[in-house]
Formats: sequence, C-alpha cells, structure tokens
Amino acid sequence: DVKVTQSSRYLVKRTGEKVFLECVQDMDHENMFWYRQDPGLGLRLIYFSYDVKMKEKGDIPEGYSVSREKKERFSLILESASTNQTSMYLCASSRGLAVSYEQYFGPGTRLTVT
Amino acid sequence: QKEVEQNSGPLSVPEGAIASLNCTYSDRGSQSFFWYRQYSGKSPELIMSIYSNGDKEDGRFTAQLNKASQYVSLLIRDSQPSDSATYLCAVRGYGQNFVFGPGTRLSVLP
Repeated sequence: DVKVTQSSRYLVKRTGEKVFLECVQDMDHENMFWYRQDPGLGLRLIYFSYDVKMKEKGDIPEGYSVSREKKERFSLILESASTNQTSMYLCASSRGLAVSYEQYFGPGTRLTVT
Repeated sequence: QKEVEQNSGPLSVPEGAIASLNCTYSDRGSQSFFWYRQYSGKSPELIMSIYSNGDKEDGRFTAQLNKASQYVSLLIRDSQPSDSATYLCAVRGYGQNFVFGPGTRLSVLP
C-alpha cells in the first residue's frame, strides 16, 4: 500500500512566522503535490514536483515555496504566515506522468494562523 | 482553463438505494478519470479509476465513462450510511496534472 505521511495533523502558528509542512512517501513515486482545500473552493494546487530538485508552480503559489531535496520528501514552506493561509493542506504523490497513475493523498495538515 | 464540474449536493438517498453521482469535464484530451471519497475532516481516498468508455464495476461501486459526452458517473448500489461523504471527481490528460471537481456531498439516510 502507498503510504503518504505528513508531519502534523494540526498546527497553530502566529502571523509572520515561517512555517514548514513536511510530506514523505514510501513508494518511490516520481511526482509529489501540495494542495490546499477550503470550503466552497475545492482542492487547489499550490506546487508540484516531477523529480528531485524540480518544482513547478501550481494555480496558487503566491506566499508559498517548496523544497524537494530527496525523492521521498516534499516540503511546503510558508515564508511569512498570514491569516488567509489558514486551511487544510494536503500532500499527494503519484508514480509518474502516465495517465493511468493514480494520486494518493496524505492525511492532511489543518493549519490555523492567528 | 480545464474544468471539472459536479453538483455540490447534498444528494440525499435512503439506505439501500442507488446513489448516482455525476461529473462533466471540459478537456477532450482527458484520458483517465478517478473517483475519490472524502469523509469530513479527512483526506481524499481513491475508490475507482476508469480509462475506457463503458462501465467498470468494483463491489458496490460502478464507474461509467462516456468520452463523447465528456461525462463520467459513479453509481453506489445498496447505499449505506457509511457511504455518506463528499465524492470528488478527478481527470487527467497525458503528461498533465490532475484536475479535481468541487465534489458532491452524499448523505445516506438510515
């Protein structure tokens, strides 16, 4: 079974803090993704990575950065947290670009910025 | 802009009935289609994938795909209260990222 883990289930941070969200997958997947999910807005792609040290902007990259130094780990960084970044953050991974490859999600991190 | 549309619901069905969830997509180049189930406060869980026109059955779940109409559906037979969740439709084209619909909230009434 694919296992995607995220460092925290719940996180509370103050405005202006630098926040790190970690994601690890154990299935040697090439692709990794970060989404945020908000009521009424659905899943929105923040960043994705097709390979180690590679990253691509998604639909809403502003205020975020990412790091992928190892294949199994993909980090999302909020450089200076703001209240509008309060959300559920979901990491996902996929074996590759072939259309038949499914995407698997981690348990999510609910981040509250006060 | 590639779009995936779903009725937001809630869709309410009585226990034991068939629940029918629908999804339409705008990109004719889409080649693979996925259904995810998401319980409140939890992350999406993959339940079905379909790549060819027609039906694909897995237990109580049947996915139906009609590429000409750009339409994919999920049928849940003998619906149970434990099926109450939000169901997300996702599509993918060759070399492209997943595009998710907004989800349909299903409520199965005992």
